[in-house]
Amino acid sequence: QSALTQPASVSGSPGQSITVSCTGTSSDVGGYNYVSWYQQHPGKAPKLIIYEVSYRPSGVSNRFSGSKSGNTASLTISGLQAEDEAHYYCSSYISSSTRVVFGGGTKLTVL
Amino acid sequence: QVQLVESGGGLVKPGGSLRLSCAASKFTFSDYYMGWIRQAPGKGLEWVSYISSSGRTIYYADSVKGRFTISRDNGKNSLYLQMNSLRAEDTAMYFCARDLPTPIIAAVGILDYWGPGTLVTVSS
Repeated sequence: QSALTQPASVSGSPGQSITVSCTGTSSDVGGYNYVSWYQQHPGKAPKLIIYEVSYRPSGVSNRFSGSKSGNTASLTISGLQAEDEAHYYCSSYISSSTRVVFGGGTKLTVL
Repeated sequence: QVQLVESGGGLVKPGGSLRLSCAASKFTFSDYYMGWIRQAPGKGLEWVSYISSSGRTIYYADSVKGRFTISRDNGKNSLYLQMNSLRAEDTAMYFCARDLPTPIIAAVGILDYWGPGTLVTVSS
């Protein structure tokens, strides 16, 4: 069982918006603004798309946005495109020897 | 463009050992924390280990503590993972990744560049 809880799957049609949730505890997501989101296409390495809850690395589309409320972080993808179909993982810093915890991942299907 | 390339994966019997390497280029390797993250077939990501830029500070996941050793050679721009007492559940793709520093806390899991990974299979 993963430390952070994500829905197993979400789906949406092209042009729509979807939101993926990531629920942790006050020891990780709720305690620090160090939530990251990664996009992973099949057979590829993960790609950082959001860090520190809501910041986008250079080159990442502004269709990706992040937020947090309490112990739950969220990734929103607006204007869905076919190439957004992928797995999405959240992660959070945790103040322990474990250091970093990941969510179980969410498969996004673009209908 | 930052490049990370892992090597050293393969098939090993339970109880065996393997040493993974990660060759880094196109950035100042000695300035960054580096980490190993793994992904079992069809499963999610699992953080494995971190090492500070100097190599003096190291963190491990509980699942590998006492069996895996992370190290680095800044002169060779290389990161390593020595894996001993391997188990079937260690079977995974192993990725090395660079950690993006933050002003307050180091190694908070912002992994901005990843290698393509190297596959480790533990099976008799």
